[in-house]
Amino acid sequence: DTGVSQDPRHKITKRGQNVTFRCDPISEHNRLYWYRQTLGQGPEFLTYFQNEAQLEKSRLLSDRFSAERPKGSFSTLEIQRTEQGDSAMYLCASSLRSGTTDTQYFGPGTRLTVL
Amino acid sequence: QKEVEQNSGPLSVPEGAIASLNCTYSDRGSQSFFWYRQYSGKSPELIMSIYSNGDKEDGRFTAQLNKASQYVSLLIRDSQPSDSATYLCAVSGTYKYIFGTGTRLKVLA
Repeated sequence: DTGVSQDPRHKITKRGQNVTFRCDPISEHNRLYWYRQTLGQGPEFLTYFQNEAQLEKSRLLSDRFSAERPKGSFSTLEIQRTEQGDSAMYLCASSLRSGTTDTQYFGPGTRLTVL
Repeated sequence: QKEVEQNSGPLSVPEGAIASLNCTYSDRGSQSFFWYRQYSGKSPELIMSIYSNGDKEDGRFTAQLNKASQYVSLLIRDSQPSDSATYLCAVSGTYKYIFGTGTRLKVLA
């Protein structure tokens, strides 16, 4: 257990429904990341927060995806009008930049299945 | 060309042997390098980080970095069946990680 928690761990939804995932980072970590991982691939970067500011959003993140980190603590990732291609593991990671090092610790992930 | 390349495997080694996992990357500006272990259906778990050229040892694991050749490797000594997993190489510039597709390692008892 890294101290990063995600909820729910599994989500099954029907195409066209909206889903929201939550991530609680390690408490003193100021950076929070979302990645998506499909079978046989490495995690792909989606978006990054430093405190409450969203500093980068990948081209992979269509306008159906939105992420927030309202008070610089937990974060939510919402997917609107889900599609079957959204089925994946959604991973959250957090880090605390120290000097030049910035080690990310991953939560357990949320596995999304879109029927 | 992929930004981070790994042989997908599977790499099969007998129990007690040394497993050697390799990774190449394309961005010469990369500063930080990481190895994660991922069991099937689980999230990545950090094994090693390395930031400067040379070797870094932690228990049975040794990470090796050669920035001139844009190459990073992971050696696992005295491999155990519990080491059977996918090993992900991650490379970072300032913050986001770029992952390879991972190498599947099988340690045969």
